[in-house]
Amino acid sequence: EAGVAQSPRYKIIEKRQSVAFWCNPISGHATLYWYQQILGQGPKLLIQFQNNGVVDDSQLPKDRFSAERLKGVDSTLKIQPAKLEDSAVYLCASSLDRRGGGYEQYFGPGTRLTVT
Amino acid sequence: GENVEQHPSTLSVQEGDSAVIKCTYSDSASNYFPWYKQELGKRPQLIIDIRSNVGEKKDQRIAVTLNKTAKHFSLHITETQPEDSAVYFCAASPRYNAGNMLTFGGGTRLMVKP
Repeated sequence: EAGVAQSPRYKIIEKRQSVAFWCNPISGHATLYWYQQILGQGPKLLIQFQNNGVVDDSQLPKDRFSAERLKGVDSTLKIQPAKLEDSAVYLCASSLDRRGGGYEQYFGPGTRLTVT
Repeated sequence: GENVEQHPSTLSVQEGDSAVIKCTYSDSASNYFPWYKQELGKRPQLIIDIRSNVGEKKDQRIAVTLNKTAKHFSLHITETQPEDSAVYFCAASPRYNAGNMLTFGGGTRLMVKP
C-alpha cells in the first residue's frame, strides 16, 4: 500500500512569514496526527484528527499554528507568522484504529522547516 | 499529562553484543508502549510494541519488557548488527477510542561498531 505522503520535503522561510504543509494519509486511515520534531528530540504531538474532527490539540500553539482536515482525508498545517524556534521537522502520521487493532502509526517522510 | 524519560541518550556497543534501552513513564493510565527506530534523515518506523496486558514480547532479535507497577519498559536488542545503528524512541499512550496520543521519550542514539 502507498505510504503517508507529505509536501514539501524542505522549506526555508524568514521569520514572520507564513508556511503551509500538506499531508495525505494512508487510504482508509481514520486518524491523522501532526508532530513537531526538533533536532535531537523525540516527536511532539501537535494535533490529532479522527476523520475530520479534532481529538486533541492541547499542544498546538494556536496563536500561530492552525490545522484542518476538511474532508476527513488530506490535512494541512499552517504556521503564521513563523518564529525561529519553529525550525523543525514536521511529521504527519496516520493509523487505522479499528476495533481490536490498528494501533500502529505510520509516519510520512516529514517536512524540514528552517526559519531564518 | 504523560511524561516519558528515556536512557541512555547514547549507547555504543560492539557488533554481536546486546543493547538495552530503558524508559519510564508517569501516567498510570498508559497502556500502549511502542518503540520506533529512526535512521538519519528518515521517518520513524515501528519496530515493536507492547500492551499493558502482557509483560514481555519478542520478535526475532528484539524484545520489549514492561513493568506496570514500576512504570518502566525496556527494549532489548541481541546480536547487534551495524544496520541496527539508529536513534530509537520509546513512547507511551493511554488507549482512547479515537487513536493513540503518543508521548515520546527523548531518544537513544545506538551505534554498533563492526
